Amino acid sequence: EADIYQTPRYLVIGTGKKITLECSQTMGHDKMYWYQQDPGMELHLIHYSYGVNSTEKGDLSSESTVSRIRTEHFPLTLESARPSHTSQYLCASSPRQKPTDTQYFGPGTRLTVL
Amino acid sequence: AQKVTQAQTEISVVEKEDVTLDCVYETRDTTYYLFWYKQPPSGELVFLIRRNSFDEQNEISGRYSWNFQKSTSSFNFTITASQVVDSAVYFCALSEAWGGAQKLVFGQGTRLTINP
Repeated sequence: EADIYQTPRYLVIGTGKKITLECSQTMGHDKMYWYQQDPGMELHLIHYSYGVNSTEKGDLSSESTVSRIRTEHFPLTLESARPSHTSQYLCASSPRQKPTDTQYFGPGTRLTVL
Repeated sequence: AQKVTQAQTEISVVEKEDVTLDCVYETRDTTYYLFWYKQPPSGELVFLIRRNSFDEQNEISGRYSWNFQKSTSSFNFTITASQVVDSAVYFCALSEAWGGAQKLVFGQGTRLTINP
């Protein structure tokens, strides 16, 4: 089981603020992912990374950006938060070695933008 | 395109009843992986099981069991003698090769409530 940490767990901020959601994992996993979860429960992939210095956009368009400078760290940044960004954000990671498909998730950050 | 359908949006049962959560998937791949995750009220997704397309053996883990049938493209999940702690949202997912990563295609989730 992977150890993945996300901070903060809950965040309430005003419109226009810049925020960074932190995600760290201690398993040395190469691949990391960010998902956005609607209030209606469905999860959508917004970013992923194969490894250090690799970032790709997912299938749901997002105004957020990510970086991967260290293997264990995959932060997500919103330059100017808006109410439409209100959602739960889940970070996940998976190992290089087989089975590579199993993704292990962090506890999530519940973001509310007023 | 790959798709996962969980037709049951919400299920409510009384404690100790058995309950089955349905999952139907669509894929053109011959090799694929199916998953179940549990999301309790605290919000994290907890990995429950991974099954590859070549292994159709049913699996049992304590009160949990999974029935994988390629002929009907289904991967159903049964909880026997349900308990209040089983209350959560359960997601079925299908792994899709996407670029160099593995993308999980999730179903819509089934909210399971176990009443005392």
